[in-house]
Amino acid sequence: SQELEQSPQSLIVQEGKNLTINCTSSKTLYGLYWYKQKYGEGLIFLMMLQKGGEEKSHEKITAKLDEKKQQSSLHITASQPSHAGIYLCGADKRGFGNEKLTFGTGTRLTIIP
Amino acid sequence: NAGVTQTPKFQVLKTGQSMTLQCAQDMNHEYMSWYRQDPGMGLRLIHYSVGAGITDQGEVPNGYNVSRSTTEDFPLRLLSAAPSQTSVYFCASSFDSYTGELFFGEGSRLTVL
Repeated sequence: SQELEQSPQSLIVQEGKNLTINCTSSKTLYGLYWYKQKYGEGLIFLMMLQKGGEEKSHEKITAKLDEKKQQSSLHITASQPSHAGIYLCGADKRGFGNEKLTFGTGTRLTIIP
Repeated sequence: NAGVTQTPKFQVLKTGQSMTLQCAQDMNHEYMSWYRQDPGMGLRLIHYSVGAGITDQGEVPNGYNVSRSTTEDFPLRLLSAAPSQTSVYFCASSFDSYTGELFFGEGSRLTVL
């Protein structure tokens, strides 16, 4: 079974709507990273969360870390076509930073006009 | 800035052939790693290196060799290609293993017939 579960697996959202993607770990989280992948391209770093309750924002994307629930959520406000892609979460489960990140299977986001 | 450069972008091999995927970074990063991405499996770590002359195994190292003779380069060698190694391979680097942001290459799509 996957140590890092992302939900939903895919999401189709109308442009301008808000959306949330979740990432849940079966093990203790020392750090949680969010990346975005455009189709057929590499991964682009979005943000990193390290402390319980930490919340970070970048433009219209906000991510939170709930250490007790071993879960992180990524929230996009007023979605735009440029937000389309695959969102992946990566977890540090050993406290060693990004030396051996475990990644989720990704959430495929489609934005329709 | 070139960032992380992977070559080739596409490759088709026959079972039993060997080949090397090249990865170079021009950011003077100490940490480099190789991941493979398969449908439904997420990104899985193959090998990583925390500096020149130092390499270690990740989650799925069998069938792959790496070496790190310089800070800039981290080639991944497939010794005897198998159909199970058909995948998209990503090279990533970061300043060190504790710094959050991993910089990814654009990927190398390998098909083994």
